Amino acid sequence: GENVEQHPSTLSVQEGDSAVIKCTYSDSASNYFPWYKQELGKRPQLIIDIRSNVGEKKDQRIAVTLNKTAKHFSLHITETQPEDSAVYFCAARFGGSGYSTLTFGKGTMLLVSP
Amino acid sequence: GAVVSQHPSWVICKSGTSVKIECRSLDFQATTMFWYRQFPKQSLMLMATSNEGSKATYEQGVEKDKFLINHASLTLSTLTVTSAHPEDSSFYICSARLGGADTQYFGPGTRLTVL
Repeated sequence: GENVEQHPSTLSVQEGDSAVIKCTYSDSASNYFPWYKQELGKRPQLIIDIRSNVGEKKDQRIAVTLNKTAKHFSLHITETQPEDSAVYFCAARFGGSGYSTLTFGKGTMLLVSP
Repeated sequence: GAVVSQHPSWVICKSGTSVKIECRSLDFQATTMFWYRQFPKQSLMLMATSNEGSKATYEQGVEKDKFLINHASLTLSTLTVTSAHPEDSSFYICSARLGGADTQYFGPGTRLTVL
C-alpha cells in the first residue's frame, strides 16, 4: 500500500516568517494530494489540494508544490500568524477510480509565536 | 456546502457495552464514507471504507465483527463498537465523499471513553 512520510514533526516559527512542511509518498500512481489543518479536538479541515497534472497551486498565503519525479510535495505558508498554529497533515490518494483511499502523514505541529 | 455531522460528539461507556456513532452528510449525497480512528498526538488511521448499499471494506488489522459499519443511505453511515474495552478509547472521525470527487469532508469526531 501507500506510505507517506512527513517532516518535520514539529515546527516553531515567529509570526511573519514562512513555514514549509514536506511529504514524500511511495506509490507513483498516486494522483491527488490534499493538505488538512487540524486544531486540537477539532475536525481536519482541507486547506489546499493538488492533482498530479499540476506542479504548483496557490491560495493567498498558502501554496503547495508537487514533484512527481521525486514523489514529494510540500506545503508553504507565508506571513504566518498565530492562528495558523495547528497540526497539519498531508495525504496521498491511493487506488484507482471506484476505490480510492487517503493515506495520511504523521502530522506536523506548527507553532507560530507572536 | 459539504457539511458532515457526527453524533454523539462524546460518549463514555462501561467495558463490554456497545456504542453506535452516526455520521451524516447534511447537504450532499455521499457515495462513499470513511471511518478513521485517531489516538492522541497521532495521525488519522483509516479503519474502513463504506459505499452505500454494500458491505464495508476494512483495513488490515481492523476487526470487522467488532467495528460494525452500516451505510444504509447516501447521507448516513453508522459505526458500532461492540463489546467496547478501554483500549478502544479514541477519537473516531468519519468523512464523506461525493462519488467521482476527490475531496473528503470530515465530521467533527466522536470522543469515545471506555471505562
